[in-house]
Amino acid sequence: DVKVTQSSRYLVKRTGEKVFLECVQDMDHENMFWYRQDPGLGLRLIYFSYDVKMKEKGDIPEGYSVSREKKERFSLILESASTNQTSMYLCAGRTGNSPLHFGNGTRLTVT
Amino acid sequence: KQEVTQIPAALSVPEGENLVLNCSFTDSAIYNLQWFRQDPGKGLTSLLLIQSSQREQTSGRLNASLDKSSGRSTLYIAASQPGDSATYLCAVRRTGGGNKLTFGTGTQLKVEL
Repeated sequence: DVKVTQSSRYLVKRTGEKVFLECVQDMDHENMFWYRQDPGLGLRLIYFSYDVKMKEKGDIPEGYSVSREKKERFSLILESASTNQTSMYLCAGRTGNSPLHFGNGTRLTVT
Repeated sequence: KQEVTQIPAALSVPEGENLVLNCSFTDSAIYNLQWFRQDPGKGLTSLLLIQSSQREQTSGRLNASLDKSSGRSTLYIAASQPGDSATYLCAVRRTGGGNKLTFGTGTQLKVEL
């Protein structure tokens, strides 16, 4: 099974700051994902990556970018944080047809 | 566009009861369907994955079924316990849809003593 680790459980940032959310998986798996989860809206895909340096936009990429320089690490970047980006951010990983495995989430508050 | 619905949004049952959670999807061209549980403030934990060629999967007290033609999946929980209290979500991966999953909004289950 893929183990997915998100470096921060809680983050508080100021409007306009550049924010990095880090995610690491402990196996050599190709697919990694970033979702955000909001009450009433469910999980929405921001970006995913199917290999090193490869990325694809999800359903709500605006205001976000990603970086995947190494296979085990997938970073989500908020270029200029805004209050509407306050949310729970969830990283996930998968190989092939296996189940999708999530990290414990990062609760981001932008003030 | 695939839409995934979970009804009811919330459910409360007494301990020991067998229960069924429902997941409906609009596009039957699915690759697989996955059930998750989520505890408050935490990430999602994978419970069961059913491939499109399968009819059901079992793990302990959990049994998930899939009927593609009717666009439905059910998660059966036997002999429920207070520790089963959580939000249960289903997610569908569409055939030809690459890596994307479409999630339902979940059923919040409370098992009472």
